[in-house]
Amino acid sequence: GEDVEQSLFLSVREGDSSVINCTYTDSSSTYLYWYKQEPGAGLQLLTYIFSNMDMKQDQRLTVLLNKKDKHLSLRIADTQTGDSAIYFCAGGDRGSTLGRLYFGRGTQLTVWP
Amino acid sequence: DTAVSQTPKYLVTQMGNDKSIKCEQNLGHDTMYWYKQDSKKFLKIMFSYNNKELIINETVPNRFSPKSPDKAHLNLHINSLELGDSAVYFCASSDYGTADQETQYFGPGTRLLVL
Repeated sequence: GEDVEQSLFLSVREGDSSVINCTYTDSSSTYLYWYKQEPGAGLQLLTYIFSNMDMKQDQRLTVLLNKKDKHLSLRIADTQTGDSAIYFCAGGDRGSTLGRLYFGRGTQLTVWP
Repeated sequence: DTAVSQTPKYLVTQMGNDKSIKCEQNLGHDTMYWYKQDSKKFLKIMFSYNNKELIINETVPNRFSPKSPDKAHLNLHINSLELGDSAVYFCASSDYGTADQETQYFGPGTRLLVL
């Protein structure tokens, strides 16, 4: 299976950039994902990156993938208070069973005004 | 229109009771999942179904029984509820027949509290 590790907490000031980091063990993942969970809500798919890419940009979000180090990061530019949430990194395991995703424990992002 | 919906949103019940959680997706996906999120926010897969067929069955007590009447629905029945079953249960779906095949879309969750 896959182990996905994330730091648990990150605090930033409004307007600054946030960088949330993730490491994973299984290099067979075809896609790597970032999900956002606001308090009391479900998981919202934010973005994903195909494993043969190094970078993907989507408005304020930039995903960087370092396959050699098995490191994934999510950068949020101009962080807003509405970005406060838990961010989950997840990887698929194409080497085994259909559709299995492994999630990290989530990074609680707190944005201070 | 909600893509993946779950009912109920909240469920409070006594130990020993039997309860069901329902999930429906209107995305036309062929694969559906149940995840459990514990109090520390750790999210772990429980089951997945592809075209009504059980594909993933993690080490889950057999008090938990998923049922898929059709590929748009995946319900979760729990017998003899225990305190440790208290968690948030998420349903998700994906379309394994497409290039976007691994991307899973989640429902809003069902918050189960066993007293």
